[in-house]
Amino acid sequence: DAKTTQPPSMDCAEGRAANLPCNHSTISGNEYVYWYRQIHSQGPQYIIHGLKNNETNEMASLIITEDRKSSTLILPHATLRDTAVYYCILNSGGSNYKLTFGKGTLLTVNP
Amino acid sequence: GAVVSQHPSRVICKSGTSVKIECRSLDFQATTMFWYRQFPKQSLMLMATSNEGSKATYEQGVEKDKFLINHASLTLSTLTVTSAHPEDSSFYICSARLGFGTDTQYFGPGTRLTVL
Repeated sequence: DAKTTQPPSMDCAEGRAANLPCNHSTISGNEYVYWYRQIHSQGPQYIIHGLKNNETNEMASLIITEDRKSSTLILPHATLRDTAVYYCILNSGGSNYKLTFGKGTLLTVNP
Repeated sequence: GAVVSQHPSRVICKSGTSVKIECRSLDFQATTMFWYRQFPKQSLMLMATSNEGSKATYEQGVEKDKFLINHASLTLSTLTVTSAHPEDSSFYICSARLGFGTDTQYFGPGTRLTVL
């Protein structure tokens, strides 16, 4: 039972910002929003995570709405190597630290 | 960032044989390691969770006697697929996390298993 909803696919032009949305309307107060991506035939790669504040690291920015019911992952300058399936996952940690992968969003960066 | 390795990266075996896959956390000690399986065009499915020094916890529908997991140290977990059959052919991926709480889970590169 997916707790997040993502569009199945998106396209982005190389060099432009890629904004990947995720809806999580039933998120609990102690659940973090995690983003991973999986390039074809590789293991998933951690991107970023957050609880309620916006976060930024060397890979991406994460914007979480004030009500925490949705979030957006931003890749500021997409490259061809960013083509991958992006997963938005909720997790509360502790003994229930399991990641449940949904179908994710296939982001295709075009030249 | 934390690095997780898997060995081998791909393996081909005959039906009925057993295959062992190793998962190592290279630059951190992993309290918990996880094993996933991914069939073509599908998402990752968690198979089991293993904590160092204790028995693995298997997800519903995963046969514990077929998929043997050993987590003997804080940096190594192994998955043995016993009496492999063609339907066990899949992409097996491990992950490791640092400790309790919301510590990030880092994934290995995966092992492609083909059973003939």
